[in-house]
Amino acid sequence: QVQLQESGPGLVKPSQTLSLTCTVSGGSISSGGYYWSWIRQHPGKGLEWIGYIYYSGSTYYNPSLKSRVTISVDTSKNQFSLKLSSVTAADTAVYYCARNWVWSHDYWGQGTLVTVSS
Amino acid sequence: QTVVTQEPSLTVSPGGTVTLTCASSTGAVTSGYYPNWFQQKPGQAPRALIYSTSNKHSWTPARFSGSLLGGKAALTLSGVQPEDEAEYYCLLYYGGAVVFGGGTKLTVL
Repeated sequence: QVQLQESGPGLVKPSQTLSLTCTVSGGSISSGGYYWSWIRQHPGKGLEWIGYIYYSGSTYYNPSLKSRVTISVDTSKNQFSLKLSSVTAADTAVYYCARNWVWSHDYWGQGTLVTVSS
Repeated sequence: QTVVTQEPSLTVSPGGTVTLTCASSTGAVTSGYYPNWFQQKPGQAPRALIYSTSNKHSWTPARFSGSLLGGKAALTLSGVQPEDEAEYYCLLYYGGAVVFGGGTKLTVL
């Protein structure tokens, strides 16, 4: 059973960089065919796709966030990470990581709330 | 900017049948958009229900089914249970990009 767990600071100051890590257990992040996604949900709002990465390092980002987003992978730790720069209050959201396999986001983490505030 | 549109809210009686739809601003939704459907209850992460239009995950209850209907992706719930009250999101793939619909709040009343 694949499990994903987000971790990182719950509070980030405006203009700083938000950094989160997703730890994958129950399966190898290097297994072929899987992409690893970040998705966020603003309070009381819908889901917004941020981007995803393949274990080889190839990435695809939401065009609206692309200039501020970096997703990376650490296969030795079975983790992938999100960095979002120059954050504002509009980046306050619950951030989810998920596995993207065969055109399916099947397994999700429980989510972590990140608040941007001074 | 591509927009994916869902009904904001729907109400269904227990035991009834309801269909939720998912439309694309780019035109008709086809299997090539690999429609996905998710259920989200308050305070919980989304749970995957349907992928690639009509494929169910091993945990998806039989009463949920996916299809294409009138140029849209559709999620049909047959024999609705009280526990099906939730927010439902669709997702479409546009080549490498992913876009979520705005969600449908389903009330079972």
